[in-house]
Amino acid sequence: ETGVTQTPRHLVMGMTNKKSLKCEQHLGHNAMYWYKQSAKKPLELMFVYSLEERVENNSVPSRFSPECPNSSHLFLHLHTLQPEDSALYLCASSQVFNSNQPQHFGDGTRLSIL
Amino acid sequence: QQPVQSPQAVILREGEDAVINCSSSKALYSVHWYRQKHGEAPVFLMILLKGGEQKGHEKISASFNEKKQQSSLYLTASQLSYSGTYFCGTGGLDRAGSYQLTFGKGTKLSVIP
Repeated sequence: ETGVTQTPRHLVMGMTNKKSLKCEQHLGHNAMYWYKQSAKKPLELMFVYSLEERVENNSVPSRFSPECPNSSHLFLHLHTLQPEDSALYLCASSQVFNSNQPQHFGDGTRLSIL
Repeated sequence: QQPVQSPQAVILREGEDAVINCSSSKALYSVHWYRQKHGEAPVFLMILLKGGEQKGHEKISASFNEKKQQSSLYLTASQLSYSGTYFCGTGGLDRAGSYQLTFGKGTKLSVIP
């Protein structure tokens, strides 16, 4: 069983749809992250939650809405997305929110916007 | 500001060595190295902290030069399984004073028989 599980693995949606990405970590970590990975671009940090509180929001458009109901689960709610939002969305977790801690990544959700 | 990795891509024959560099324009507290194979999650390799240390396991090691604000990843006697994209992540303080991990664009390493 992998430490960080993301569902779905692939998602195709229209610009007017509403969908959610789910992330679950089984490592007992206190910090969880959402990243966007586009072709030929570095990993872009979107959101960070530490002990279920949002601690970082890196100028992400409001069409992306995160939710962290407990320290093991993280969601990314999507609505009215644009074609440029097509990318691989990666979830990660670390023991605590600190740049000295290794991050454990899930396999990602490949999102395609029609 | 994101770190700069070089080279962008490299092709090796099995058994050859490679060096991947990661440079930052700002003061660093830590450097992370990850490897991502196509279609898979990035996998943590190692973290280096302030102090100019060198770390490694088996044939993959790294150094961190805090003064020069750079790190290098050394792969010796490469194996086919080393193929993938290597990312460095640099840890420092953002404008708000909280820790931030910023990733480079990656170096694509291909090992061929």
